[in-house]
Amino acid sequence: EPEVTQTPSHQVTQMGQEVILRCVPISNHLYFYWYRQILGQKVEFLVSFYNNEISEKSEIFDDQFSVERPDGSNFTLKIRSTKLEDSAMYFCASTRWGGSQYFGPGTRLLVL
Amino acid sequence: TQLLEQSPQFLSIQEGENLTVYCNSSSVFSSLQWYRQEPGEGPVLLVTVVTGGEVKKLKRLTFQFGDARKDSSLHITAAQPGDTGLYLCAGARFRGGSQGNLIFGKGTKLSVKP
Repeated sequence: EPEVTQTPSHQVTQMGQEVILRCVPISNHLYFYWYRQILGQKVEFLVSFYNNEISEKSEIFDDQFSVERPDGSNFTLKIRSTKLEDSAMYFCASTRWGGSQYFGPGTRLLVL
Repeated sequence: TQLLEQSPQFLSIQEGENLTVYCNSSSVFSSLQWYRQEPGEGPVLLVTVVTGGEVKKLKRLTFQFGDARKDSSLHITAAQPGDTGLYLCAGARFRGGSQGNLIFGKGTKLSVKP
């Protein structure tokens, strides 16, 4: 069964550093999402992406965040200058038209 | 702000018991999804309900979407230790082809003791 994959599984970085989180969505899916989950809290929406542009973003997704689909398979989330409060699990999800969202296993980001 | 409230927050039962967990909102959703999440892992989709009043069954799990599409329930019959986990509901608003972002509840943490 096709799955969403994410790399790396864990990332430790220093405050102020840039990080890029990578996702490979399910191959015939067209809509892509990033969510995050701070330890012990709810899963929160960050951004959705369709047809090579952002279709919706939350107030969390400020100028420090960007997304890109650099090729036909990868979908990336970049955090330009990480803050301590960016420490969280980051989940990528994808869906086909009108379908359910399937989540990847997540990247655990720790900012020191 | 759309909110999804899940109850109970924690539930500890014995193997073989039945249970129901709830997901409630004051907002209408175009669909509602139930996920199960293990510690340190991503949410795994269990079911999506779309039509008001819809009931879906997945082995011993029964999911129902409220008539007004504001609430949902998950009923587990004869719970087993393997059902232990965090159950999340997430509401979606249809946006011209995709679901739009999901609004998640905090989840119900279920523990089934042998």
